[in-house]
Amino acid sequence: KQEVTQIPAALSVPEGENLVLNCSFTDSAIYNLQWFRQDPGKGLTSLLLIQSSQREQTSGRLNASLDKSSGRSTLYIAASQPGDSATYLCAVMGVLYGNNRLAFGKGNQVVVIP
Amino acid sequence: NAGVTQTPKFRILKIGQSMTLQCTQDMNHNYMYWYRQDPGMGLKLIYYSVGAGITDKGEVPNGYNVSRSTTEDFPLRLELAAPSQTSVYFCASSYADRGRPLHFGNGTRLTVT
Repeated sequence: KQEVTQIPAALSVPEGENLVLNCSFTDSAIYNLQWFRQDPGKGLTSLLLIQSSQREQTSGRLNASLDKSSGRSTLYIAASQPGDSATYLCAVMGVLYGNNRLAFGKGNQVVVIP
Repeated sequence: NAGVTQTPKFRILKIGQSMTLQCTQDMNHNYMYWYRQDPGMGLKLIYYSVGAGITDKGEVPNGYNVSRSTTEDFPLRLELAAPSQTSVYFCASSYADRGRPLHFGNGTRLTVT
């Protein structure tokens, strides 16, 4: 079974600092890895999707890297803003869990302090 | 473009009652999913469907049923509500393409008392 871990569960950073969020997964036979954002009381919004053949994806201030061999992905958010406060979830689609299904981590709850 | 629409937003049920959570998407997505989210536990897959007429169990299917008669709709049925089913339920959908992301609805917050 694919296990997805995100540590720490919660963190606070001052505005303007770069945010670094880590995701680890146990099985490297993956099809893709996705990062989502969740605001309180809302659904999940897709931020970035990295396919297994890719090493990174970028969108604006967001950059996500993927290292399949070590079972890790990192989400970088440059020059954080209070509006970046949210929970960020990592999810993996892989062979072990079924090729149409995502296994989710529990998320990193981020607070950006003005 | 409405995306994934879930109704109702909130519901309180008594133990033993039944209800259907509605989910519809207007993006012509083949794949649809039901997840539940409990505090500190992440998202757990209940059921999913890869197309009309095809459904399959996820990690936590007990106590739930689904059907997929059209591409657009994927209702989740709770037959005999139990307190353990108190949770936030999310419906999601995607294209049949591993390079395309999941789209989520805004969730249904269900309390069983």
